[in-house]
Amino acid sequence: DQQVKQNSPSLSVQEGRISILNCDYTNSMFDYFLWYKKYPAEGPTFLISISSIKDKNEDGRFTVFLNKSAKHLSLHIVPSQPGDSAVYFCAASGRVATSYDKVIFGPGTSLSVIP
Amino acid sequence: DGGITQSPKYLFRKEGQNVTLSCEQNLNHDAMYWYRQDPGQGLRLIYYSQIVNDFQKGDIAEGYSVSREKKESFPLTVTSAQKNPTAFYLCASSIDPAGSFGETQYFGPGTRLLVL
Repeated sequence: DQQVKQNSPSLSVQEGRISILNCDYTNSMFDYFLWYKKYPAEGPTFLISISSIKDKNEDGRFTVFLNKSAKHLSLHIVPSQPGDSAVYFCAASGRVATSYDKVIFGPGTSLSVIP
Repeated sequence: DGGITQSPKYLFRKEGQNVTLSCEQNLNHDAMYWYRQDPGQGLRLIYYSQIVNDFQKGDIAEGYSVSREKKESFPLTVTSAQKNPTAFYLCASSIDPAGSFGETQYFGPGTRLLVL
């Protein structure tokens, strides 16, 4: 049973347009959400995060929106650039097990930005 | 430069063989993790360690073993009991795994394990 879902395995966007990557979660105990970016044959790198006490966090071209009532978050990239082409993992964290802030990763969305 | 290194980049395992994947970090992080990535799936936690000489099973620990004798090192052994070991293995570390806000994890470049 996937607690963090990314229902779009892939997404293609024209350079300069907005990319919107979606993520849904099922466990209301999650209180911190992260996005990681991964290039082929490399480890994921942290991109941006948001705490459950906020509904928006912005960092340059990247903005994450959180809708707690819908258990949904989205990552907006604007404008999209070819270098943004990568797999994006949504991750959720919270005291869902013992004393460890377990981080649960979604399956990822592969973004292709077309020049 | 601080970071996490994993070696080797590719590893081949023969049937019935144990293999060990290396993970080293010089970030002075207390917590270290091992994940497995399969196509179309998110990262799944194998083992984690919050402090030296202590480690805990993750969601898919069967067929794997770890040790944490030094703060900077967290090797993963894939034993012969792991029947489907072919995957991309990622090691990560964080300052403190029990923080209130889910400390950001820093990942190594990964090791791809293939079965001969």
